[in-house]
This record gives sequence, C-alpha cells and structure tokens, in this order.
Amino acid sequence: DAEITQSPRHKITETGRQVTLACHQTWNHNNMFWYRQDLGHGLRLIHYSYGVQDTNKGEVSDGYSVSRSNTEDLPLTLESAASSQTSVYFCASSGTGSTTGANVLTFGAGSRLTVL
Amino acid sequence: GENVEQHPSTLSVQEGDSAVIKCTYSDSASNYFPWYKQELGKRPQLIIDIRSNVGEKKDQRIAVTLNKTAKHFSLHITETQPEDSAVYFCAASIAEQLVFGKGMKLTVNP
Repeated sequence: DAEITQSPRHKITETGRQVTLACHQTWNHNNMFWYRQDLGHGLRLIHYSYGVQDTNKGEVSDGYSVSRSNTEDLPLTLESAASSQTSVYFCASSGTGSTTGANVLTFGAGSRLTVL
Repeated sequence: GENVEQHPSTLSVQEGDSAVIKCTYSDSASNYFPWYKQELGKRPQLIIDIRSNVGEKKDQRIAVTLNKTAKHFSLHITETQPEDSAVYFCAASIAEQLVFGKGMKLTVNP
C-alpha cells in the first residue's frame, strides 16, 4: 500500500545544531507540504513543493529550508535549531488533476522535535 | 492571504447529543473545504470535505454545510459517541494549499 513516512519520529537536539527531518511518500504525489503543530496555533504551513526542483515558503518559513530532488522525498532542514522550533512536524502530500481546487491531503505520522 | 477562524475551541457533549463546529474564511476565492479529525498522538485524518459548487454533503453521522456568500462552513456530528472525542480542524484552500483553523477539542461524555 502507498504511504507517507517520516523519520525520526522523535528527536532531541541542542540549540544551534542542524537538524533534518525526512519525509518519504510512495503515493507518487506531486505536491508535498511541511506543517508544524503547536498548542493554540493549529497546523501552520512551513514550506511546500509542487514538483521536483520546486519549493515555496509558507506562513512560518523562517529558520527552515527544504529541497525536492525527486518525487518521493521532501526533507525539512533546521539550519540552526532554536527552542522556538520545539514542535510536532507533519509532512503531507496530495495529488494533482482536480479541476475544482485542492486535492486531498494525506499526512505522515509526525516527528516530535525537542530543542534544548 | 487566507485566514480561517474556528469556534468554539472546546466543546463537551453527552453521548447521543449533536455537535456543531463552525468555521469562517476570508478569501472568497477559496474553493475546497476539508475537515480533519486528530486523535491524541495521531496524525490528522480527513473525515469529510466539500467543494465550492456544493452546499451540503453528508456521510452517515457527519455532514458539512457551506455558505459561500457568508464565507462560513460548518461540521455537524449527530448521535455522538465516545470515539468521536478528538480535535477537529477545518481548512480552506486556494489552489493547492490548505490553511487550517486552530482546531476544536470535542469531548463526548458517556
């Protein structure tokens, strides 16, 4: 079955370190997204990609970067982790082809990041 | 950009009662409105969605209504059960990006 997997599921790091969260999907979806979830803020969009070599900034992109070298993967990198980036991170993907708007978003299981 | 407001932020009901969650959006160009359910420690999962060319959609005990003129949409859950307890998120989209509300925690008491 097709799926979307995130790794690691849990990570503890120190302020200033570089961290990369992996996201891999086998849906063959063109669209991939990274959200962070914090209490009281819901799900906020960090970065997104509509295809290989395409990346775009979302609502809360400062301090984060992504790259899309193939259809399956969209890794999220925190260049210099800060305590404010302690959060649960969700990767999601969706297909294209709908003529009436956005497509169904499928989420990964999430990665819980703690920055000390 | 799009802004989605969701209320109430918490709701507690007795098993068997109905629950209604309301959302408003700001951008009249939004044309897709999904609802996600997130159980504790789990990923959000789509439970129902509606597109702008439809005013109402129903799936067993859940239904969604959309009022494009007023820019609001609502989720209705009838005959609530304890397993309906979760956080519910509404969202609205332009193109292929979803903007989420802040979520509503529903508690169904047995």
